[in-house]
Amino acid sequence: AQSVTQLGSHVSVSEGALVLLRCNYSSSVPPYLFWYVQYPNQGLQLLLKYTTGATLVKGINGFEAEFKKSETSFHLTKPSAHMSDAAEYFCAVSERGRGNKLVFGAGTILRVKS
Amino acid sequence: EADIYQTPRYLVIGTGKKITLECSQTMGHDKMYWYQQDPGMELHLIHYSYGVNSTEKGDLSSESTVSRIRTEHFPLTLESARPSHTSQYLCASSAPDLDSMELFFGEGSRLTVL
Repeated sequence: AQSVTQLGSHVSVSEGALVLLRCNYSSSVPPYLFWYVQYPNQGLQLLLKYTTGATLVKGINGFEAEFKKSETSFHLTKPSAHMSDAAEYFCAVSERGRGNKLVFGAGTILRVKS
Repeated sequence: EADIYQTPRYLVIGTGKKITLECSQTMGHDKMYWYQQDPGMELHLIHYSYGVNSTEKGDLSSESTVSRIRTEHFPLTLESARPSHTSQYLCASSAPDLDSMELFFGEGSRLTVL
């Protein structure tokens, strides 16, 4: 069965600092991997996804993530945090052949300090 | 911007009441989903549908029921609400293209049962 582990339920960074949100997954077959962002009182919005091809994936708002099969990881990074990045971030995995049913992690709340 | 709508956004009701959470999308997506979201926890899939007259239970057991009579509409019903049903319910849809794998989420319905 698939599962997702997000290390750290809360991450705090200073404005302009590097953002690193960690995600590890387990999957019995090559996975599809996703990062979603949720702003307060809103639904989830897709940041980026990995399906096939290049393992470094670029998303919206300057975020990127790298699929590392040997480490079963898909960490999310952004070189310089902005106040508007404060939100909750969810990593998700879907196994090929299971349609669009995603398994989500518990989420990481990102706080950006001025 | 995704065109998927949930009503009500917030609902506070007493135990034993019947409630229906509405979800509509205008994108013509065949696949629709209901996720349950509790603070600090993973999003759990409770129902999904791959088209009209198709509904399946998700990975998390739920006392709620769903129906899919029209492509654009995927309501969730609780016949007799209990405090344990207090949660946020997120509706999502996705396009038929398997390579896309992107879920579009509504803004959620936050249910409180007293």
